Amino acid sequence: LAKTTQPISMDSYEGQEVNITCSHNNIATNDYITWYQQFPSQGPRFIIQGYKTKVTNEVASLFIPADRKSSTLSLPRVSLSDTAVYYCLVGVSTGGFKTIFGAGTRLFVKA
Amino acid sequence: EPEVTQTPSHQVTQMGQEVILRCVPISNHLYFYWYRQILGQKVEFLVSFYNNEISEKSEIFDDQFSVERPDGSNFTLKIRSTKLEDSAMYFCASSAGGISGNTIYFGEGSWLTVV
Repeated sequence: LAKTTQPISMDSYEGQEVNITCSHNNIATNDYITWYQQFPSQGPRFIIQGYKTKVTNEVASLFIPADRKSSTLSLPRVSLSDTAVYYCLVGVSTGGFKTIFGAGTRLFVKA
Repeated sequence: EPEVTQTPSHQVTQMGQEVILRCVPISNHLYFYWYRQILGQKVEFLVSFYNNEISEKSEIFDDQFSVERPDGSNFTLKIRSTKLEDSAMYFCASSAGGISGNTIYFGEGSWLTVV
């Protein structure tokens, strides 16, 4: 299983761009990198997924370098409502789909 | 947007009682999962289910837990004899495929309080 490491917490101000980096040194060739957002007492919500280079959607961008040993979630112009825990996941299949969540990064956006 | 729905949203039960948590996965999905999150802790994988059988399970998923897909739409988690430490938020999830690259979609959770 590919282990992920993220900062435990980050602070930001409204309107700033936030970049959260995740390292996954043991990522396997077939693994994708997925980021989820979780608000208190709610289920994790899919943000973005990528395999290599850069992926962008209406919510975020995901930057993955050529060696794929890390990835960076970029949230443009955060607002107070982006305060949440962000999880970086690297998927593994061993006949099922056992996705392991790490501790995540607690992002706190201040006014 | 299709979503995973879970019932009940909150259940309080006496220690030793059986509990069944219910989920309706996204309709064209084939892989189903249960996770749990103890208050203040990380999301923990319990079990994945495909083709009417368990694909993988964690060490948390011991003999007191079972899963079932009783019909074409529901997916249930049964806890046979609840313990205080089973108090947690339980999330059901589903995905179209079972390999990396397939997005797992989560429900809003069922809060289980064991007293």
